[in-house]
Amino acid sequence: AQSVTQLGSHVSVSEGALVLLRCNYSSSVPPYLFWYVQYPNQGLQLLLKYTTGATLVKGINGFEAEFKKSETSFHLTKPSAHMSDAAEYFCAVSDNRAAGNKLTFGGGTRVLVKP
Amino acid sequence: ETGVTQSPTHLIKTRGQQVTLRCSSQSGHNTVSWYQQALGQGPQFIFQYYREEENGRGNFPPRFSGLQFPNYSSELNVNALELDDSALYLCASSFPRGAYNEQFFGPGTRLTVL
Repeated sequence: AQSVTQLGSHVSVSEGALVLLRCNYSSSVPPYLFWYVQYPNQGLQLLLKYTTGATLVKGINGFEAEFKKSETSFHLTKPSAHMSDAAEYFCAVSDNRAAGNKLTFGGGTRVLVKP
Repeated sequence: ETGVTQSPTHLIKTRGQQVTLRCSSQSGHNTVSWYQQALGQGPQFIFQYYREEENGRGNFPPRFSGLQFPNYSSELNVNALELDDSALYLCASSFPRGAYNEQFFGPGTRLTVL
């Protein structure tokens, strides 16, 4: 069975500071990994995904994530936080053996950006 | 291109009642998944429909059921509502249905069970 652990349910950063959100996964097969963002009262929007190939993945809004198989991690970073980055972020894994694309999500990390 | 839409936006029901939530998938998307997001938690997979057939189910009881129609829109039905069913219900569509593909989420239906 797959699982996702996001360390830190809340993260507070100053505007302009580095954003680092941690995600560790458990999967018996090479996973597909995703980061989604959820703004208040909205659905989820894809930030980036890792399927195969280059382990450093760039996404929208200046975010990037690095897949580290040896550490079973897929941490999300952004060099300089903006007020508009205040939202909840979810890491998710998809089993590439299964039919379809069921996503298993972590518990989420809420980001607060201080001016 | 119209994104994923869900109706209603909000819904209040009492324990024991039944509810139907609706989802229109993004144009051309033949796979629809439903997720339950309880307050303060990540979404949990309920089930997925592909070409009108259930294509995978999460750890939810049979009182959670669904349908997909020929136009790929979908319904989620929940019978005998319980207080713990209070949550945001998210619909997501995708095409094709491979595990590497992005799922496009709707804004959700917030269900409150009293």
